[in-house]
Amino acid sequence: DVKVTQSSRYLVKRTGEKVFLECVQDMDHENMFWYRQDPGLGLRLIYFSYDVKMKEKGDIPEGYSVSREKKERFSLILESASTNQTSMYLCASSLGIRYTFGSGTRLTVV
Amino acid sequence: KQEVTQIPAALSVPEGENLVLNCSFTDSAIYNLQWFRQDPGKGLTSLLLIQSSQREQTSGRLNASLDKSSGRSTLYIAASQPGDSATYLCAVVDSNYQLIWGAGTKLIIKP
Repeated sequence: DVKVTQSSRYLVKRTGEKVFLECVQDMDHENMFWYRQDPGLGLRLIYFSYDVKMKEKGDIPEGYSVSREKKERFSLILESASTNQTSMYLCASSLGIRYTFGSGTRLTVV
Repeated sequence: KQEVTQIPAALSVPEGENLVLNCSFTDSAIYNLQWFRQDPGKGLTSLLLIQSSQREQTSGRLNASLDKSSGRSTLYIAASQPGDSATYLCAVVDSNYQLIWGAGTKLIIKP
């Protein structure tokens, strides 16, 4: 089975900190995605990548950046965390149109 | 722009009942529709994927149907169990190969 691993289940960070959320997939998928999930808003796409060193903005990229130096790893970076970035963050990879999700990272910014 | 709506937002039923969750989408130009399950504080688990050329898919007690022309999908759960309690999300892959999500239906099965 495809496995998508997010390095942390829970994180608490202070306002202004630089935060790295890591995601690794083990099935050589080309496509990787970062979503955030908030109550009543559903899942919203932050960034996605179709290949190494390639990135595309999703619907809500402001305040975030990403890095994909290796095919299996897609990192989400909060350059200066703010309280409105408190959320559940979900990473996914896909082969064609079949998606696999990680277990999520619940980030709290205080 | 594709929009996906799930009704109801929450549902509570007694154990053993059969139930239907609804998903509607505004643009019929989709590649597929997927149903996911999410347990509290957890990630998403794929339940069923229906290709645009298909009408339904079944897995155990779950059956998902797709009517592209009317922009609707239903997830039927037979003989519900407390372990089915979760949030159920539907998503369509649109003409740009992007996943467009509904906000989910929170299902509670009462023992």
